[in-house]
Amino acid sequence: GAGVSQSPRYKVAKRGQDVALRCDPISGHVSLFWYQQALGQGPEFLTYFQNEAQLDKSGLPSDRFFAERPEGSVSTLKIQRTQQEDSAVYLCASSLARTGAGYTFGSGTRLTVV
Amino acid sequence: QQQVKQSPQSLIVQKGGISIINCAYENTAFDYFPWYQQFPGKGPALLIAIRPDVSEKKEGRFTISFNKSAKQFSLHIMDSQPGDSATYFCAASTMEYGNKLVFGAGTILRVKS
Repeated sequence: GAGVSQSPRYKVAKRGQDVALRCDPISGHVSLFWYQQALGQGPEFLTYFQNEAQLDKSGLPSDRFFAERPEGSVSTLKIQRTQQEDSAVYLCASSLARTGAGYTFGSGTRLTVV
Repeated sequence: QQQVKQSPQSLIVQKGGISIINCAYENTAFDYFPWYQQFPGKGPALLIAIRPDVSEKKEGRFTISFNKSAKQFSLHIMDSQPGDSATYFCAASTMEYGNKLVFGAGTILRVKS
């Protein structure tokens, strides 16, 4: 497709459950970012990949959060033992350039932890 | 620590009017300042961006004004239309940070017809 695709669009998880969120970036895009957007707030950086290398994971809020991009294309964000405070929209973005400027966001996955 | 402060939180403008949203930043290492538009249920979409070597950039009805000494930048939407009703985010980044964006808290714009 022409855009960044994220799945699922919506996910309801019981507290303590593990979840996996998928991002299909635009084909050929080198840079891939994950952001977390709480309700009524701006997106906050979680992690950054350049091809398959995770160059920055400083925004991951705890060791329950893990991201991978093994072949330099599709990426998965995994959250273990979900907590209510993990409820948010998780956005993925990709960019052709290494600079990250002008990158394209997906529509996000809305995670609700009950 | 919030590094990009955005105001106002919400804004109501009459159709045909000018919408103005302001942002201030703290980190002088920032060298890329984009504005994003977000509709409900969608991801943010890049509207316009500026580098600190220019003071103004215009694309259609959208203009960024940049004041490096004051560490402030603003978005002006001329001839605002009901279709412009959305949430707008300013952001900033720097190569030093690996190009991750630091976003403002957002401004909800409503254009009344």
